[in-house]
Amino acid sequence: GNSVTQMEGPVTLSEEAFLTINCTYTATGYPSLFWYVQYPGEGLQLLLKATKADDKGSNKGFEATYRKETTSFHLEKGSVQVSDSAVYFCALSVWDMRFGAGTRLTVKP
Amino acid sequence: DAGVTQSPTHLIKTRGQQVTLRCSPKSGHDTVSWYQQALGQGPQFIFQYYEEEERQRGNFPDRFSGHQFPNYSSELNVNALLLGDSALYLCASSLGQSIGYTFGSGTRLTVV
Repeated sequence: GNSVTQMEGPVTLSEEAFLTINCTYTATGYPSLFWYVQYPGEGLQLLLKATKADDKGSNKGFEATYRKETTSFHLEKGSVQVSDSAVYFCALSVWDMRFGAGTRLTVKP
Repeated sequence: DAGVTQSPTHLIKTRGQQVTLRCSPKSGHDTVSWYQQALGQGPQFIFQYYEEEERQRGNFPDRFSGHQFPNYSSELNVNALLLGDSALYLCASSLGQSIGYTFGSGTRLTVV
């Protein structure tokens, strides 16, 4: 079935450090890929998305490229801020949305 | 423009009881999906409703059932509650098969 595997956390970084959170997927058909962010006590917010191979999604300094050859959609940010501390979920959609287990990011000043 | 609205925000139930959670989709959306998010885990797909019918279903027992009304709002019902049903229940709405999901803030269910 369709599934997503993402890098286990937690991840702790200092402010202005480089961030990578790995995500790989298994899917039949042609999935769309997403990164969602969840702040404490809140629902999920869409961070970025890509709908076909080689697409790059970007938002708020975060980027991810849809790599069909490696079935990956890794999340990157060049310089993280304390306000980026949250849980990040990789997800794919064919007929419905399926999520990874989440990666908790803590950014320290 | 209101996004996805879920009620109640918090709920405490006893084992064996039944619970109903409610969701109003974002204006203009006609499809509602429900997810269960246990503490420290990713959301797990329960089912999706479109045109008042269950269109897709995840790996959840029949104790979990739902309904969609003509105004596109939806209910999630869980019967014979177990301690393991304690979780954050998220509702997401979208337009048809579009990939534009909007999530509500969820209902925190605690079963004691």
